[in-house]
This record gives sequence, structure tokens and C-alpha cells, in this order.
Amino acid sequence: EDQVTQSPEALRLQEGESSSLNCSYTVSGLRGLFWYRQDPGKGPEFLFTLYSAGEEKEKERLKATLTKKESFLHITAPKPEDSATYLCAVLGGGGNKLTFGTGTQLKVEL
Amino acid sequence: DTGVSQDPRHKITKRGQNVTFRCDPISEHNRLYWYRQTLGQGPEFLTYFQNEAQLEKSRLLSDRFSAERPKGSFSTLEIQRTEQGDSAMYLCASSPYTGLAGVGTQYFGPGTRLTVL
Repeated sequence: EDQVTQSPEALRLQEGESSSLNCSYTVSGLRGLFWYRQDPGKGPEFLFTLYSAGEEKEKERLKATLTKKESFLHITAPKPEDSATYLCAVLGGGGNKLTFGTGTQLKVEL
Repeated sequence: DTGVSQDPRHKITKRGQNVTFRCDPISEHNRLYWYRQTLGQGPEFLTYFQNEAQLEKSRLLSDRFSAERPKGSFSTLEIQRTEQGDSAMYLCASSPYTGLAGVGTQYFGPGTRLTVL
């Protein structure tokens, strides 16, 4: 069974203080790893897809990277509007369903 | 596109009652997914449709749960004989893509929050 573990559970940053979120996974035959952002009371919003180790994707202040065992979401010079829960999901070899982690709740303060 | 819409946004029911939720995906999106999310957890896959065909169901989808997408457009999720453990946010998502991109690139609705008393 596919498993996804995200750390830390919660992270508090000052505006401009860069950091990284971790997503480690155990999956049989990784076909894709996906990052989503979720704001309170809303559905998740798609951010990135990573397909193979060594791949990187960037969007504004966010950069996602992938190794054979984990993915990182790097946040550079965050702003308060980056505050949200960031979810990682994997697609393994069995079926066409995503397995999500429990997320990292990020709060960026002024 | 107006985005994925779900109705109702909130539902309070008593244990043992049946409830039905509706999801309207983004127009012409072929794939439609249902998830359940409880507080502090990520979404858990329930089932998905490719057009009107239900292609995969999770073990979580007991015989009290049923989903339909009769014309390949909107979908309904029904829970019969609700239990307190069914209390959760029920999320719907759609994708215009088939294949691998269709699985990972999903557009989520705002969810229906179910409370079973």
C-alpha cells in the first residue's frame, strides 16, 4: 500500500524566511508525485507534477524537487499569502488513484 | 470556466438518514473524482469516473455508499443509513486529461461538509 509522510506537521515562518517542506513516500512503482495547496474551507489547488528523480518545477516563490525517496517544496522569501496547508500526493503502480499525505500547515507572519 | 461546484455546501443529518451530494465538474472534463477528508488528514480517494463509467472504487466505499454519473456530466454521491463516522468533508474533483496527467492534475470543488448527529 502506498504511503506518504509529510513533515513538519506545522511550520511558522517570518515573512522573507525561506524554508523547505518534506514529503517522503513508499510506493510500488512511482508514476508521479503531486503538490497541492489547500486554504481553510476550500478544496486543494494543484501546484506541481514531478515524474522522475532529479526533476524540478518552479512557480513564483515555490520550487518542488524529487528524489527516489522524497520530495521537497522549497519556499523562498515567503509572504503571508503563502499561508496554507501544502499537500503531497503520489500515484503508484496500482490503479489510478492518488494517495495524499496529511499535509504541512504553513503560517507566514509579518 | 466557473470551476467545480458542489451542492449542498453543508449538510447536517441524523444517524440513520440517507444523504445525497451533487458535483458539477468543469464543462467537458472527462474525469471526475470523489474524496473524503477529515480534520487534519489529506483527502482519501473514494471513486472516480471516466465519462459515465465508474472505473475504480476504494475499499472505503462500503455498500452504504453509491456514486453515479449518469450522463457523463454531473455526479451524485449517496450515503445510506449514515453513521457518525461518516462526518467529514466530501470533495469532488475533475480533470480534462486522460492518462497520467488526468490523475494528478485535478481541479477540486469547495466540498460538502457532512455532520452526522
